[in-house]
Amino acid sequence: QVQLQESGPGLVKPWETLSLTCTVSGYSISSGFYWGWIRQPPGQGLEWIGIIYHTGTTYYNPSLQSRVTISVDTSKNQFSLRLSSVTAADTAVYYCARDPVDIVATVGGFDYWGQGTLVTVSS
Amino acid sequence: QSVLTQPPSASGTPGQRVTISCSGSSSNIGSYYVYWYQHLPGTAPKLLIHRNDQRPSGVPDRFSGSKSGTSAYLAISGLRSEDEADYYCATGDDSLSGLVIFGGGTKLTVL
Repeated sequence: QVQLQESGPGLVKPWETLSLTCTVSGYSISSGFYWGWIRQPPGQGLEWIGIIYHTGTTYYNPSLQSRVTISVDTSKNQFSLRLSSVTAADTAVYYCARDPVDIVATVGGFDYWGQGTLVTVSS
Repeated sequence: QSVLTQPPSASGTPGQRVTISCSGSSSNIGSYYVYWYQHLPGTAPKLLIHRNDQRPSGVPDRFSGSKSGTSAYLAISGLRSEDEADYYCATGDDSLSGLVIFGGGTKLTVL
């Protein structure tokens, strides 16, 4: 059974960097597929942050591109999110998820998700 | 404000059929697969429909998806109380909105 688990600080100060890690079990990231981050601010809808292919190729939401970095560590079967210069608008539940495709034009169908982690930006 | 437009709310009584729409454009729905998610509070979103009209294993056949031109639809038949949730469409996009875009979500209430 594929499982994903987010980890990282639940509180980040304004203008600092948010860092989260997603640990995958039950499937080897190096076997393929895209791996993504999605967030949901309080009272709002889902927002796609970005995805990474197992080879390291990344695609980001243009509205966040200047601040976001997604990386993968296949030796640890993990992928990570870094979001710099955060503000209160970045307060959200952050999810990591798997997209079981190898063709970027077909991404969007995330089949396995982590349970989500609330990150609050506050001093 | 998402480039994919969903009605903010929908409702139905148990046993009814409800349809949720997702309206886009030629640069997104018109060119890419559409996916539908069910999101219950405090849980992770669940993939209900992939590649426009395909149900993942374990999703009841009460849920069905379709696409026509630049719009997509999620139909739920035999409505049950446990179907009360938020529903999101998602698809790809050629514009500056990003590789994957989500609709604004529809809150389904079972009366």
